[in-house]
Amino acid sequence: GQQVMQIPQYQHVQEGEDFTTYCNSSTTLSNIQWYKQRPGGHPVFLIQLVKSGEVKKQKRLTFQFGEAKKNSSLHITATQTTDVGTYFCAVFPGGGADGLTFGKGTHLIIQP
Amino acid sequence: SQTIHQWPATLVQPVGSPLSLECTVEGTSNPNLYWYRQAAGRGLQLLFYSVGIGQISSEVPQNLSASRPQDRQFILSSKKLLLSDSGFYLCAWSPGIPYEQYFGPGTRLTVT
Repeated sequence: GQQVMQIPQYQHVQEGEDFTTYCNSSTTLSNIQWYKQRPGGHPVFLIQLVKSGEVKKQKRLTFQFGEAKKNSSLHITATQTTDVGTYFCAVFPGGGADGLTFGKGTHLIIQP
Repeated sequence: SQTIHQWPATLVQPVGSPLSLECTVEGTSNPNLYWYRQAAGRGLQLLFYSVGIGQISSEVPQNLSASRPQDRQFILSSKKLLLSDSGFYLCAWSPGIPYEQYFGPGTRLTVT
């Protein structure tokens, strides 16, 4: 099935700094989803990207899907303490009614 | 609106004891249902998924099993727990492929 590599594993930022996490695949992806998991909580769906080169924004969050549909990024502008958590990308491995394959996630730690 | 319930929230069980975790979904019919496991600080591993009553697909070999006795009920079981079964168990539902998944609050299982 499809695998996704997510980097970095951890990211420490000062509050107000920007943050970016990247998700890469060796194969072309049909789509990619992003989830956020707060400490002690469960993953919450953020967005799904489907089209090559797609860019979507949600307030301070910008999601991009690469032109070749092999990579994606999530960028947060001017981080706030509410952004703390782990951000996962996830893809469908294909071949039928499969569950999602998740990246290992990027833990965002914000220092006030 | 749709709601997903999981219980119990936390569980401490001795090695060799049985396990039964339950997940129910409200407000939708014929959802795809999923069981994931998350080790501490790690990504999510898909364990089982179901596209209908009595239809279960397993992603990894293990001593766990799943059942779907009703359309909106998904049960994760084990006859004899191992120490390695400790983790955060998450149930999720989806309206289908390739749509987003909605996670329940999870069960933290500690096998001692």
